[in-house]
Amino acid sequence: GQNIDQPTEMTATEGAIVQINCTYQTSGFNGLFWYQQHAGEAPTFLSYNVLDGLEEKGRFSSFLSRSKGYSYLLLKELQMKDSASYLCAPSSNTGKLIFGQGTTLQVKP
Amino acid sequence: EAGVTQSPTHLIKTRGQQATLRCSPISGHTSVYWYQQALGLGLQFLLWYDEGEERNRGNFPPRFSGRQFPNYSSELNVNALELEDSALYLCASSLNNEQFFGPGTRLTVL
Repeated sequence: GQNIDQPTEMTATEGAIVQINCTYQTSGFNGLFWYQQHAGEAPTFLSYNVLDGLEEKGRFSSFLSRSKGYSYLLLKELQMKDSASYLCAPSSNTGKLIFGQGTTLQVKP
Repeated sequence: EAGVTQSPTHLIKTRGQQATLRCSPISGHTSVYWYQQALGLGLQFLLWYDEGEERNRGNFPPRFSGRQFPNYSSELNVNALELEDSALYLCASSLNNEQFFGPGTRLTVL
């Protein structure tokens, strides 16, 4: 079966660093996606991890540990526009993306 | 390069009616995925089409159906609409693993 766990809400200050954790259990795991979704908009792709380790892309980095079923999204130098929901989505060899409920991040000045 | 497009943007129907939602993938993408996002809930996987075939479907009743055309565009049909079908329906296209989402169709069932 599939199970995804990430915090429901987080609050951080502009300019700070925030880490959003995600644990998952997915049959036939292929890799893990992170998406950003602003209210009322479609999700936009942030990262895709297949191998263990950290992948950095500008202010955003994503980490994966396949053996632990664990990933995190690291956001640096937070900006007000980073206030959004962040969706952890493991993919399986069935082609499915299973989305978690998402973490709503509020960035405060 | 044009992204994933969906039509209509908004759709209002009444209970018992049928709704048809359309999606055009990014050029060259052969896979199309449909998701439902009800208000305040996460994305729920509906259907996956690849090369014209239905490859997988989520835990939705049979009145949710669709198809993929030879040009890889896709339709989602929802029959016998119920109030709880009101949601944002998102389409995503994929060539390898990365899924790119369209802007969605907001379906309201009255």
